[in-house]
Amino acid sequence: AQSVAQPEDQVNVAEGNPLTVKCTYSVSGNPYLFWYVQYPNRGLQFLLKYITGDNLVKGSYGFEAEFNKSQTSFHLKKPSALVSDSALYFCAVRPNNNDMRFGAGTRLTVKP
Amino acid sequence: DTGVSQNPRHKITKRGQNVTFRCDPISEHNRLYWYRQTLGQGPEFLTYFQNEAQLEKSRLLSDRFSAERPKGSFSTLEIQRTEQGDSAMYLCASSTTGGVSEAFFGQGTRLTVV
Repeated sequence: AQSVAQPEDQVNVAEGNPLTVKCTYSVSGNPYLFWYVQYPNRGLQFLLKYITGDNLVKGSYGFEAEFNKSQTSFHLKKPSALVSDSALYFCAVRPNNNDMRFGAGTRLTVKP
Repeated sequence: DTGVSQNPRHKITKRGQNVTFRCDPISEHNRLYWYRQTLGQGPEFLTYFQNEAQLEKSRLLSDRFSAERPKGSFSTLEIQRTEQGDSAMYLCASSTTGGVSEAFFGQGTRLTVV
């Protein structure tokens, strides 16, 4: 089965510190991986995707993600967290370029 | 606003009633998806369309759920004989078919069954 897992329900970081939100995947074939963010009372917003090529993918709002094939991971990172980054983050995989399967989400809290 | 639009934003209904939600995708997107999201969980895939054809439907989807996209533009999701367990946020998304494209989501319809 094609799926992603987000091992942390909650991540807390101080403003200005680097942040990492973890995601591991289980897919057969080429993985198409995505990160989305969900702010309160708003729809999911696309941050970035990995299809092929460079393992480091840059996305919106200063976020980036590193694809690691040997560790089957696609962790989301940002060098310096902002309070406004506090939100719910979802990793997703798109098997066969059809529907998208989401992880359970990680709540990021950035404290001033 | 040219994003994905969902109506209504909120719906409260009594158990046993039927409800229908509407989704208007981004105009040039020929793929349309429906997801359900409950508190503390990620979106769960329900079904998706390419143009007017419903190409995939989750095996978890009860027979009480039906979706249509008659002209390949807007879509409706109907739930018949609602149950309290149907209470959730229903999300619609759309995408193109070119390459591996990301899906753009609407703000969702929050259903509460009382």
